Amino acid sequence: SYVLTQPPSVSVAPGQTARITCGGNNIGIKSVHWYQQKPGQAPVLVVYDDRDRPSGIPERFSGSNSGNTATLTISRVEAGDEADYYCQVWDSSSDCLVFGGGTKLTVL
Amino acid sequence: QLQLQGSGPGLVKPSETLSLTCTVSGGSVSSSHYYWGWIRQPPGKGLEWIGSISYSGSTYYNPSLKSRVTISVDTSRDQFSLQLSSVTAADTAVYFCARRTDLLSFDYWGQGTLVTVSS
Repeated sequence: SYVLTQPPSVSVAPGQTARITCGGNNIGIKSVHWYQQKPGQAPVLVVYDDRDRPSGIPERFSGSNSGNTATLTISRVEAGDEADYYCQVWDSSSDCLVFGGGTKLTVL
Repeated sequence: QLQLQGSGPGLVKPSETLSLTCTVSGGSVSSSHYYWGWIRQPPGKGLEWIGSISYSGSTYYNPSLKSRVTISVDTSRDQFSLQLSSVTAADTAVYFCARRTDLLSFDYWGQGTLVTVSS
């Protein structure tokens, strides 16, 4: 089955840029989606189809995808961005929807 | 505004069947543009997709759970349901229902229902 690999944690100071990676075999040919989840809450879609943002998501959130790595970039990080972030793809070879293991973003 | 509300027992005994229902309001499960899905999250762990269903009843299941999972839809009530059989403690999790888009992302989520498997 298809595996998505995320770093367990990323730390960044307020105002700086956070980059959260999602690794997978030839992930660049897949459509990648990103979710933000705060404690005790349901996930929220923050980026879909590699780089598009749902309405209401700040422009500070952006995505890219190439080769074997997709990246969620959060610019001008705020304390309120502290959360777990998950990447997700559809693996057509196994007809299975796959989530990455999640990355905890800590704002220092 | 679309809302999803999950409901069902919070405690299930080992070897029994877990049953949850998700009620959709502010929209309809009958739209051909969407699938409706279940995702779970064990305490302190990551997200796991369980399966998805269309308004017409077409289903996709996680291969690792397929033998135990049944997802159904009731368009007359704007509801879809999850049944997971032969549960064990490893099935203890928060179960989320969500709407899946054409691009295969989940754009609306329910609040989550904690189900504990214990005797």
